Amino acid sequence: DQQVKQNSPSLSVQEGRISILNCDYTNSMFDYFLWYKKYPAEGPTFLISISSIKDKNEDGRFTVFLNKSAKHLSLHIVPSQPGDSAVYFCAASDATGNQFYFGTGTSLTVIP
Amino acid sequence: DGGITQSPKYLFRKEGQNVTLSCEQNLNHDAMYWYRQDPGQGLRLIYYSQIVNDFQKGDIAEGYSVSREKKESFPLTVTSAQKNPTAFYLCASSTAGDIYSNQPQHFGDGTRLSIL
Repeated sequence: DQQVKQNSPSLSVQEGRISILNCDYTNSMFDYFLWYKKYPAEGPTFLISISSIKDKNEDGRFTVFLNKSAKHLSLHIVPSQPGDSAVYFCAASDATGNQFYFGTGTSLTVIP
Repeated sequence: DGGITQSPKYLFRKEGQNVTLSCEQNLNHDAMYWYRQDPGQGLRLIYYSQIVNDFQKGDIAEGYSVSREKKESFPLTVTSAQKNPTAFYLCASSTAGDIYSNQPQHFGDGTRLSIL
């Protein structure tokens, strides 16, 4: 049973606009959330994270929002750039940090 | 240059054979992980190890085995008992997390295993 879900397999956005990638989770014990970016033929690279004590974390063009009551997080990329085109995975873990659960990924295409 | 090295990048196996995937890290990370990715699915945890000489099963450990004799190395053996071994395998590592300090994972570039 998928505990972390990314319901949009793909997303296309014009360069300069905002990209919003969504992620839902089912386990209320999750308290640490991450976004990874993956280019073809490479492993995922860590992008940004948020702990459950926050509802927003910002790093340059990337902002992650967490809505614990809705068990939902999102990644905002503003402004989107062609180099952002990749597959984005969200992941979650509980307080132990021993296991991470990943979504199925969303393929983002930023159109020049 | 610190990082995680997975080898080989592509691996072919005959049915009934065991095969070992290599994962080496020079990041001085305590924890290491093996994931499997199949088309249309997220990464699924096979095994993880928080310290040397200790490892735990993940969600899909059946048909796999690991060892952690050195901090830097966490090889994964895909045994003949694994009925559907064709997949993309990713190794990851992180500093040891605790309830006060979660840490992200760093990934290798993966090994694609195919059955001949």
